[in-house]
Amino acid sequence: GESVGLHLPTLSVQEGDNSIINCAYSNSASDYFIWYKQESGKGPQFIIDIRSNMDKRQGQRVTVLLNKTVKHLSLQIAATQPGDSAVYFCAVASGGSYIPTFGRGTSLIVHP
Amino acid sequence: ETGVTQSPTHLIKTRGQQVTLRCSSQSGHNTVSWYQQALGQGPQFIFQYYREEENGRGNFPPRFSGLQFPNYSSELNVNALELDDSALYLCASSWDLTSGSLYNEQFFGPGTRLTVL
Repeated sequence: GESVGLHLPTLSVQEGDNSIINCAYSNSASDYFIWYKQESGKGPQFIIDIRSNMDKRQGQRVTVLLNKTVKHLSLQIAATQPGDSAVYFCAVASGGSYIPTFGRGTSLIVHP
Repeated sequence: ETGVTQSPTHLIKTRGQQVTLRCSSQSGHNTVSWYQQALGQGPQFIFQYYREEENGRGNFPPRFSGLQFPNYSSELNVNALELDDSALYLCASSWDLTSGSLYNEQFFGPGTRLTVL
């Protein structure tokens, strides 16, 4: 089965810095990757996704990079703000069916 | 547009009891997925319902069961509760053209916090 891991359980940054959250996956057949943000007391909120036929995708202040060779993806947040403080999860799916495997999450702490 | 809602928000049960959790999907969505999130962990997929039929199941025992109703709302039932069932139970809805075939954005509810004593 798939295993998904994040490199750091906690990431502390200063307001205005760029943040990078990393994720590794094990199944080379994985073809859909999603980043979620979960604030305290809330369910996960979709941030951005990427399919395996791409290696980069950009949203508003966020960029996801996918390296299929080393089975690694990252989430970059530009000009991090205090409102970005949350737990970030990567999720990985394969086989054309949305049954994702989530990583354990990285807690992003943004200091004003 | 109404988002995904779940009830109750918190629940305390004792070992061996049964529990039913409820989810109202976002307006226009026909697919509901349930997840279990233990403290400090990522959500784990329990099962998914598409147009009232189970459409995929994670590694959970049969005492975890569900229903989806014609209005696409859903229930999660857990029998013979165990201490390890204590977790946040999340419901997510999406709109799928066909059963499980598309990667469509899932919208999560706030969850039900279940504590088993």
